[in-house]
Amino acid sequence: QSALTQPASVSGSPGQSITISCTGTSSDVGSYNLVSWYQQHPGKAPKLMIYEVSKRPSGVSNRFSGSKSGNTASLTISGLQAEDEADYYCCSYAGSSIVVFGGGTKLTVL
Amino acid sequence: EVQLVESGGGLVQPGGSLRLSCAASGFTFSSYWMSWVRQAPGKGLEWVANIKQDGSEKYYVDSVKGRFTISRDNAKNSLYLQMNSLRAEDTAVYYCARGVVHPDYWGQGTLVTVSS
Repeated sequence: QSALTQPASVSGSPGQSITISCTGTSSDVGSYNLVSWYQQHPGKAPKLMIYEVSKRPSGVSNRFSGSKSGNTASLTISGLQAEDEADYYCCSYAGSSIVVFGGGTKLTVL
Repeated sequence: EVQLVESGGGLVQPGGSLRLSCAASGFTFSSYWMSWVRQAPGKGLEWVANIKQDGSEKYYVDSVKGRFTISRDNAKNSLYLQMNSLRAEDTAVYYCARGVVHPDYWGQGTLVTVSS
């Protein structure tokens, strides 16, 4: 039950694209196409942005996209906007009804 | 509209107990796995426990096994977390969330502070 590895911080200018990586192991990210991503603004509850690696819930902007290769998943945000500044967490199913989260990445929009 | 409202948090001494509740509305509660996820101050999210629709299966993160118990009452559309033998490292905001693999709705959380 070790946490997934994310960069502590990323930054980008408005209009640019950024990518956040999420590295796990062959027991979690590498074994299941069940990676999700959450956005959390300060003092707020997490919001589901991507599920099953690349699917977007209804209402989430298509500027958000997800992918996976081997044991690493990625979240890409294109056309950065000020409102995207937040913490982002990845999450992966790890078998036996257990999930594991990443340590979180703080996105700063310059 | 799906709503999850947690309650029961507060200040408790090390070794003490607390019971968290989560009131669900806006969906068929008995049809979903439910989870508790916590977030220590300034830290990341940590999955704590989850429970199957009928309560027949329960799973816990290693750090709370034997101390925490998740339960539910489908007749009351409510989820619970009984926390015993609390430690300072259990201090966190505790969120109730719908689902397990990718929890899609979360409550606003309830703060649990373990301190003497």
